[in-house]
Amino acid sequence: EVQLVESGGGLVQPGGSLRLSCAASGFTFRSYWMSWVRQAPGKGLEWVANIKHDGGEKYYVDSVRGRFTISRDNAQNSLYLQMTSLRAEDTAVYYCARDLMGATRSGYWGQGTLVTVSS
Amino acid sequence: QAVVTQEPSLTVSPGGTVTLTCASSTGAVTSGHYPYWFQQKPGQAPRTLLYDTSKKHSWTPARFSGSLLGGRAALTLSGAQPEDEADYHCLLSYSDARQGVFGGGTKLTVL
Repeated sequence: EVQLVESGGGLVQPGGSLRLSCAASGFTFRSYWMSWVRQAPGKGLEWVANIKHDGGEKYYVDSVRGRFTISRDNAQNSLYLQMTSLRAEDTAVYYCARDLMGATRSGYWGQGTLVTVSS
Repeated sequence: QAVVTQEPSLTVSPGGTVTLTCASSTGAVTSGHYPYWFQQKPGQAPRTLLYDTSKKHSWTPARFSGSLLGGRAALTLSGAQPEDEADYHCLLSYSDARQGVFGGGTKLTVL
């Protein structure tokens, strides 16, 4: 069974940093593109970033490029999102997802972790 | 960046049929946008119903189907059930499936 478990969310001040993690199990992690998607309170979904199965390609939505970094550790079956220079508008539930995009697609989701940017 | 548009809200009667659509500001939606449809109920994570336009997961009820219709991606629900009341989000891929844009979501009411 595919399982994706996010962690690392919490309250952070504007301008601060946070690192989200996603622990994957139930599938061969190193074979799949992975994504981060977020959802601000009461709003729709927003794709944030993708990373290729080997980490060799990374893509970002314009609003986070230069501030967020997606990475992965295939030996640890883990996906990460390093977030810096956080803004109030980054407040959202952040979801980890498997193969939303890339060479093969089917779309498995984690349960999400809440990030709140506030002073 | 492309803008993806969905109907903000729709209502369907129990047992009825409804079609939700997903349009791209860049032109006609094609299979190369690898359209997705997700269902999300209050307080829950999204769940993938359809991917690559019309492919279903094992958990996708048979009453949901996907297609391309009039230059848009479409989700058709035939025989709506009360438990289908939810938000439905579409996702289109761009740049050879390297980047994605979600629609704003459709709030579906079964009434």
